[in-house]
Amino acid sequence: DTGVSQDPRHKITKRGQNVTFRCDPISEHNRLYWYRQTLGQGPEFLTYFQNEAQLEKSRLLSDRFSAERPKGSFSTLEIQRTEQGDSAMYLCASSPRFAYEQYFGPGTRLTVT
Amino acid sequence: KNEVEQSPQNLTAQEGEFITINCSYSVGISALHWLQQHPGGGIVSLFMLSSGKKKHGRLIATINIQEKHSSLHITASHPRDSAVYICAVRLASQETSGSRLTFGEGTQLTVNP
Repeated sequence: DTGVSQDPRHKITKRGQNVTFRCDPISEHNRLYWYRQTLGQGPEFLTYFQNEAQLEKSRLLSDRFSAERPKGSFSTLEIQRTEQGDSAMYLCASSPRFAYEQYFGPGTRLTVT
Repeated sequence: KNEVEQSPQNLTAQEGEFITINCSYSVGISALHWLQQHPGGGIVSLFMLSSGKKKHGRLIATINIQEKHSSLHITASHPRDSAVYICAVRLASQETSGSRLTFGEGTQLTVNP
């Protein structure tokens, strides 16, 4: 499968715990996006990488959230001290250089209990 | 008011019916995307358009830039078309800064046999 992959697909955690999600974009896609989607809503932008540089962060991304893309390939999104309001689907998408089509991964569904 | 508004929020149709989903936006855009999301979360891009009309199989997407409005049509609808359809825009201001998407809340389509 050469699409965008995300791991894990589901995560259940207790409030206060830290969680980390991984996204592997399509090979050679230089742009990578993280979005969050709560039930019944459309996705909301969280952050964007071009190669390894994090170029934009949403105000939704509080200081408990951090994202990295260390070698310009896969990316991780970490949430520290999770809260129930963090329960959502976390979506990753990637785009090739010079094109604007975004290819989405299957998402990681986070449930904070 | 959201920058991207979709209507209706929910739509139930009988197999074979012609379906229209509408999207209005209030900002300058460089492109509009129609996306399909099935239960479980995976998002598939259906169309990306900046003017006129595109057709793929039974799906047709149109956009009127002057009126800031787009429609997605499904002809001869089928139960397998049941999904959430999401309109998303790439803001004109994003042209040089990453091209992240701003999403509508989605339209839940159910097609009954």
